[in-house]
Amino acid sequence: EPEVTQTPSHQVTQMGQEVILRCVPISNHLYFYWYRQILGQKVEFLVSFYNNEISEKSEIFDDQFSVERPDGSNFTLKIRSTKLEDSAMYFCASSEGGGPDYGYTFGSGTRLTVV
Amino acid sequence: GENVEQHPSTLSVQEGDSAVIKCTYSDSASNYFPWYKQELGKRPQLIIDIRSNVGEKKDQRIAVTLNKTAKHFSLHITETQPEDSAVYFCAARGRDDKIIFGKGTRLHILP
Repeated sequence: EPEVTQTPSHQVTQMGQEVILRCVPISNHLYFYWYRQILGQKVEFLVSFYNNEISEKSEIFDDQFSVERPDGSNFTLKIRSTKLEDSAMYFCASSEGGGPDYGYTFGSGTRLTVV
Repeated sequence: GENVEQHPSTLSVQEGDSAVIKCTYSDSASNYFPWYKQELGKRPQLIIDIRSNVGEKKDQRIAVTLNKTAKHFSLHITETQPEDSAVYFCAARGRDDKIIFGKGTRLHILP
């Protein structure tokens, strides 16, 4: 079964440093998403991406965050200057389509720890 | 935007009994309702979903019901087993197309 692949599985970074989280969505999927989950809390929407641009972003997704699809296979989330409160599990997801007939496939996540 | 409420936050049931988790949503245009199971440290795994053109869907011991008028949907797990212990999230996909999650229910199956 096709999978969404995320790397690294765990990243530890110093506060103020930049991090890039990487995702390889399923190859025929067209819609891409980033979610985050702070430990013990619900999964929160960050951003959706379609046709090489952001479709929607949440209030969490401020100027410190950016997304990119640099080469047609990778989908990255960059946090420019990490804060302690950015520590969370970050999940990438992809979907074949944008309508109600399509569900998401989630990657296995990247655990980001900011120290 | 869409808002999804889920309860209870914690549920303990005896092995073999049934478990029911309930959710409500706010956006009447929502038309896709997935349920995810998340084991500790792992990704949310889709276990069942329902679309707005049906009222009930079953898959072995799992069933989901949807009441569009009341904007309620529920997950039912029958004959619970130890491996059903996990956090379960309901979610809804609304007019803005993104999936919004409930806060989760931690299900404990007691021996």
